[in-house]
Amino acid sequence: EPEVTQTPSHQVTQMGQEVILRCVPISNHLYFYWYRQILGQKVEFLVSFYNNEISEKSEIFDDQFSVERPDGSNFTLKIRSTKLEDSAMYFCASSARGQETQYFGPGTRLLVL
Amino acid sequence: LAKTTQPVSMDSYEGQEVNITCSHNNIATNDYITWYQQFPSQGPRFIIQGYKTKVTNEVASLFIPADRKSSTLSLPRVSLSDTAVYYCLVGDGTRDDKIIFGKGTRLHILP
Repeated sequence: EPEVTQTPSHQVTQMGQEVILRCVPISNHLYFYWYRQILGQKVEFLVSFYNNEISEKSEIFDDQFSVERPDGSNFTLKIRSTKLEDSAMYFCASSARGQETQYFGPGTRLLVL
Repeated sequence: LAKTTQPVSMDSYEGQEVNITCSHNNIATNDYITWYQQFPSQGPRFIIQGYKTKVTNEVASLFIPADRKSSTLSLPRVSLSDTAVYYCLVGDGTRDDKIIFGKGTRLHILP
């Protein structure tokens, strides 16, 4: 069964450093998403991406965040200058079309020190 | 997206059937009901989706009464590995909508 993959599984970084989280969505999917979950809290939407542009973004997704689909398979989330409060699990998701059946990756656990 | 209300937590024992009910009083005509499951330290996983009456798959059943103002996710004969958070979501799925997760129901299966 096709699945969304994410790398790395864990990332530790120093405050102020840039991080890039990588995702490979399911191959025939057209809609891509990033969510995050701070430990013990709800899963929060960050951004949706379709047709090589951002469809929607949340208040969390400020100028420090960016997304890119550099080639036909990868979907990346970049945090330019990490803050302590960026520590969270980051989940990538994809869907075949705009609908609520999104398929999530296993997540990247980001720890900012 | 319609607002949903579900229990904060539930406990059950292995081998039992577990029913988690979700209220969605302001569900719209075009809205579907979708349930996701999230194991600790993993991403949410789609379980089941329905519009009305009953839907069954290899994982669960979803019961939706005629007025569609609530729905019940039924997990038959649970095991310890069914311990997870279960999210009820309601939306029409016609746009590339973000998923707004609530706190879900934390299901704890006891031996």
